[in-house]
Amino acid sequence: NAGVMQNPRHLVRRRGQEARLRCSPMKGHSHVYWYRQLPEEGLKFMVYLQKENIIDESGMPKERFSAEFPKEGPSILRIQQVVRGDSAAYFCASLLGEAEHGYTFGSGTRLTVV
Amino acid sequence: GNSVTQMEGPVTLSEEAFLTINCTYTATGYPSLFWYVQYPGEGLQLLLKATKADDKGSNKGFEATYRKETTSFHLEKGSVQVSDSAVYFCALTIQGAQKLVFGQGTRLTINP
Repeated sequence: NAGVMQNPRHLVRRRGQEARLRCSPMKGHSHVYWYRQLPEEGLKFMVYLQKENIIDESGMPKERFSAEFPKEGPSILRIQQVVRGDSAAYFCASLLGEAEHGYTFGSGTRLTVV
Repeated sequence: GNSVTQMEGPVTLSEEAFLTINCTYTATGYPSLFWYVQYPGEGLQLLLKATKADDKGSNKGFEATYRKETTSFHLEKGSVQVSDSAVYFCALTIQGAQKLVFGQGTRLTINP
């Protein structure tokens, strides 16, 4: 079991470009969560997806950010027209069943906007 | 609302010292409580958890007890090692809500 796989590990984008972050959950896990960690801060929930459905996007900025989890392939977090304030570590977590069992996190994608 | 408050860091200790990192929470329902650890440049790893009042979670010498009366879940270890240097996050999830609510993290440095 390869765990939660995120790529790329590091991503550098110029202001105005698009960033695509990928997450492959653990085998058999059908729940994917995206969190953002700003420098020296805790993780903040962004979005919760199941296959082909967005369940909770209450933490997503209203503009420029979108997420999907297609029937086949990884979950994608997409940030359009990136700005310096988007620089952060973005973590994906997956869950097999109930939340109290604990989540498995990926190693994260560190986005730097220059 | 639901929130987690952690002891302000950074915390610096000598090897073999006793560790306590305080964590208190507010929750609208019946939370499950977690401690996660983040080593430099890595993602978060689940350290321990407790799902109901008076439960004690333990792992790798770390312990935390779910105290409903004080709404606390303090992390303790009797004798820390240099390899315990990391950032520690207290978190909760509410039954049925799925998403985690994190504290701000406490950076721990252990000196030899």
